[in-house]
Amino acid sequence: QKEVEQNSGPLSVPEGAIASLNCTYSDRGSQSFFWYRQYSGKSPELIMSIYSNGDKEDGRFTAQLNKASQYVSLLIRDSQPSDSATYLCAVWAGRRALTFGSGTRLQVQP
Amino acid sequence: ETGVTQTPRHLVMGMTNKKSLKCEQHLGHNAMYWYKQSAKKPLELMFVYNFKEQTENNSVPSRFSPECPNSSHLFLHLHTLQPEDSALYLCASSQDQGGPWAFFGQGTRLTVV
Repeated sequence: QKEVEQNSGPLSVPEGAIASLNCTYSDRGSQSFFWYRQYSGKSPELIMSIYSNGDKEDGRFTAQLNKASQYVSLLIRDSQPSDSATYLCAVWAGRRALTFGSGTRLQVQP
Repeated sequence: ETGVTQTPRHLVMGMTNKKSLKCEQHLGHNAMYWYKQSAKKPLELMFVYNFKEQTENNSVPSRFSPECPNSSHLFLHLHTLQPEDSALYLCASSQDQGGPWAFFGQGTRLTVV
């Protein structure tokens, strides 16, 4: 079982729609959860962090965490073509470096 | 700019060559990391340094040799690589190994021919 799992996509949504990206993790001791955005040929960029159950909103982005279900999601409202990228879910269990999922490729169609 | 700088950005090397990747961070962080990113695979953690000491080696082949002379600089020395080592090599830093989010450099795109 992979430590952090994401659907590789591509997830295709029309411009202006809500994009929903999902991630599950296996380590119940995980404490912190992150979403990174990676444009093609570029390095990952941290866009959201969440530490407790519930929702966290930052502009058009909302991160959701459910520790009981070991599930993290990222919602992008009013999706724009510039949001087209690969989104990496990362999890920190407090003992070592971040563990990353393989990423979900998002395509926002104009 | 994230405050983490990697050089070179692109590198082509033969299997018998020796080359080095360099990473420098200007964030005052104490932990530095090397990750490998191959196509359609998760980021693979290679090495972790905390306060200049190597704290993690993720079963990386000995043809990859890290060096951390101080908390601001990290090197990855490469020798006798294989074509399957071609990948994007990413350096990252964080305040400490325990905490937790990382800032990445721009990466070095390595091609082994």
